[in-house]
Amino acid sequence: QLQLQESGPGLVKPSETLSLTCAVSGASITTTTSYWSYIRQPPGKGLEWIGSVPYSGSTKYNSSLESRVTISLDTSKNHFSLKLTSVTAADTAVYYCARLSSNHDAFDIWGQGTVVTVSS
Amino acid sequence: DIQLTQSPSFLSASVGDRVTITCRASQGISSYLAWYQQKPGRAPKLLIYAASTLQSGAPSRFSGSGSGTEFTLTISSLQPEDFATYYCQQLINYPVTFGGGTKVEIK
Repeated sequence: QLQLQESGPGLVKPSETLSLTCAVSGASITTTTSYWSYIRQPPGKGLEWIGSVPYSGSTKYNSSLESRVTISLDTSKNHFSLKLTSVTAADTAVYYCARLSSNHDAFDIWGQGTVVTVSS
Repeated sequence: DIQLTQSPSFLSASVGDRVTITCRASQGISSYLAWYQQKPGRAPKLLIYAASTLQSGAPSRFSGSGSGTEFTLTISSLQPEDFATYYCQQLINYPVTFGGGTKVEIK
């Protein structure tokens, strides 16, 4: 059964880079029907899509974050990663990794989420 | 970008009630709409995809309908475990967008 597990620092200083990893178990990240994705949720607010990367094809990013964000795959470790540069307090949120199924055009598998606070 | 507007944003209901949540898209999205349930402190859970297809494992009291620009999520008989926030999401094209959410609380 496919499972996702986020990891990374819970506290990042302003202007630094936020880095998270999502470990994938129960399936290979090389499957062609999956887009490996990050979504975030600021405290008390709704869901914001950050971006999605397929094993083969072009990565898609939210245009509001595109200049600061990179999502990449590591097939040797079967995980994918998020890097968000030049963070500010507005980037404080719960960050979720998720599988976007191209069969359903929906996020059918989610990690448990990790809280990231941007503060000095 | 395609905007999704959910209504109501807040809903108070009793166990056993029939509940309907609406999601309106700023332009036509065919049936490329999904619905999620999120409980406090938990990740969202997929309920419905392709506007009306029930995700495996989701209770049959949940149903979805609509196409184009107007969609509904219906809970036929509200159960205690259904008190949560519900979000719609579209992917006819990028960027993926979500509705603002509908919080369902106990009356």
